[in-house]
Amino acid sequence: SQQGEEDPQALSIQEGENATMNCSYKTSINNLQWYRQNSGRGLVHLILIRSNEREKHSGRLRVTLDTSKKSSSLLITASRAADTASYFCATGDYNFNKFYFGSGTKLNVKP
Amino acid sequence: SAVISQKPSRDICQRGTSLTIQCQVDSQVTMMFWYRQQPGQSLTLIATANQGSEATYESGFVIDKFPISRPNLTFSTLTVSNMSPEDSSIYLCSVDAGRGTEAFFGQGTRLTVV
Repeated sequence: SQQGEEDPQALSIQEGENATMNCSYKTSINNLQWYRQNSGRGLVHLILIRSNEREKHSGRLRVTLDTSKKSSSLLITASRAADTASYFCATGDYNFNKFYFGSGTKLNVKP
Repeated sequence: SAVISQKPSRDICQRGTSLTIQCQVDSQVTMMFWYRQQPGQSLTLIATANQGSEATYESGFVIDKFPISRPNLTFSTLTVSNMSPEDSSIYLCSVDAGRGTEAFFGQGTRLTVV
């Protein structure tokens, strides 16, 4: 399976704190993406980082990618209660643009 | 971007029956993807559906159990056949925005088999 692993599996923090989630994957990739899922519903795309990029920012989100270690991290700064959700990394392969999802991190931000 | 409508949003079905899930996209797309998300788990790709050809199934998934139709560039169906309680999951339809870009997802179909 090409699915990656994420850690931690669950993270509980206070509002205002930063949350960091890590993702490791197994094969060469075209890009890596992070998604958010609220309450087991559809996924919302957060940010995409290409294999030739090392860091990317979008609002309160910062993503890093280390292709030599096959790992990525997602940092959410100044977290809010509304950030409570499950976060998944997904890797896109070169050939068919299929996505393989990591195991996910369940984030709980306490008000 | 793409807007994806999935039906039904949820269903409770008897074991041994089949359920067909519909996925409608508001634009023409080449490839559509079907995922399964078992309770508390991540998403697992079931198959890739191209218009005009047989779907391509991932390891562990077979056409007899999950037949897929793709009659045109905006629509696909996934059937979960001869259901058992182990099939209780969220099933999600997805399309890509083009090579190397983000994927868009429907809101999912929450299936419970009793």
